[in-house]
Amino acid sequence: EVQLVESGGGLVQPGGSLRLSCAASGFIVNTYFMSWVRQAPGKGLEWVSVIYSGDSGGNTYYADSVKGRFTISRDNSKNTLYLHMNSLRAEDTAVYYCARGTNIGWYGDFWGQGTLVTVSS
Amino acid sequence: QSALTQPASVSGSPGRSITISCTGTSSDIGIYDYVSWYQQHPAKAPKLMIYDVSNRPSGVSNRFSGSKSGNTASLTISGLQAEDEADYYCCSYTTSSTWVFGGGTKLTVL
Repeated sequence: EVQLVESGGGLVQPGGSLRLSCAASGFIVNTYFMSWVRQAPGKGLEWVSVIYSGDSGGNTYYADSVKGRFTISRDNSKNTLYLHMNSLRAEDTAVYYCARGTNIGWYGDFWGQGTLVTVSS
Repeated sequence: QSALTQPASVSGSPGRSITISCTGTSSDIGIYDYVSWYQQHPAKAPKLMIYDVSNRPSGVSNRFSGSKSGNTASLTISGLQAEDEADYYCCSYTTSSTWVFGGGTKLTVL
């Protein structure tokens, strides 16, 4: 059974850093396109970042709103996806979801339950 | 990376059909057949309903269908049921190798 479990969210001060984790089971993370998608309280979905499958080159891409501040990565030995977030701002406050794509592209066919990040002093 | 444009809300009576539009540009919907649609109930994770414009994942009712014309994609729900009441989001791949979501549409089943 495919499962995605996010963790690492919490309260952080503006300018701070946080690392989110997405532990996968039932499939191999390295063989799929994986994305992070966020949702601010009461707002819509916002795509954040993608990491291509290993066979597709492992490229990474980011939304303009997080480029230069966030880094997506994965640890194949732990079958886990990460989102490293630096220079956090109030507008980064959101529930962060990880979502699996396919082995040749991304659309979110499986989603985690999300982890809440709150940026506030 | 401007968000795709969706109507804020739509409504319909049980048993009727509704269509939600999703308008993009020639840099996303207009050039790629990589449009997906998601259903989200309150406090739940999104659920994939349509991928690659018009394909339904296994387990999704055939009451849900997708299409595209030019820069606009559409999601049609036929035979509306109370359980269809939710927020719906479209999403497209873009020429920047990124993805972009629509602002979301709240569906009310009257």
